[in-house]
Amino acid sequence: DIQLTQSPSFLSASVGDRVTITCRASQGVDRYLAWYQQKPGKAPKLLISAASALQSEVPSRFSGSGSGTEFTLTISSLQPEDFATYYCQHLNHYPITFGQGTRLEIK
Amino acid sequence: EVHLVESGGGLVQPGGSLRLSCAASGFTLSDHYMDWVRQAPGKGLEWVVRSRNKANSYTTEYAATVKGRFTISRDDSKNSLYLQMNSLKTDDTAVYYCTSSTGDYRDFDYWGQGTLVTVSS
Repeated sequence: DIQLTQSPSFLSASVGDRVTITCRASQGVDRYLAWYQQKPGKAPKLLISAASALQSEVPSRFSGSGSGTEFTLTISSLQPEDFATYYCQHLNHYPITFGQGTRLEIK
Repeated sequence: EVHLVESGGGLVQPGGSLRLSCAASGFTLSDHYMDWVRQAPGKGLEWVVRSRNKANSYTTEYAATVKGRFTISRDDSKNSLYLQMNSLKTDDTAVYYCTSSTGDYRDFDYWGQGTLVTVSS
């Protein structure tokens, strides 16, 4: 199985900060990597597909990059509504797996 | 507008069975890959099972943790997806989400609100 390791697991930041979350895969996943945002008590929301394709209605302050084994999710200027937990996911083959999550909290 | 609504969760004893349903609207179920994802209380996301679309013969993939105990099915005439869960264990306690995939990379672009399954004696 492909393991996805996110770093950091916890991040404290302020409104307006630029933050980057990294997702490392135990083997190459090409660009079959997605990012999700989850707020407490809610279902996850797809932010980025194919490593870097921003979903419609997702603000442009979110961006993704990478291929192979290393990927990043960047939020260029944190807004209050961005404080949530973020997960990466690979879909290169089965089983599909998720990273352990990065919890982003307000400093 | 796409909507997915899960139902059927509840409390069940270890070794018991439960059937989850997911009612889809706003799209044709047979065109989409459909998955179930679960999340244990306070934990991360775990993919459970996939059903490919009609064009791919509705073939399925299961996570090792549920293979042989869970079965995914669909009724396209009712635009509904199901998850039959047998031989339930306490580790199966989670919120179960129904998801659909429309893009080329088959990521989960639509999610239901989830239904809670609690396995406990």
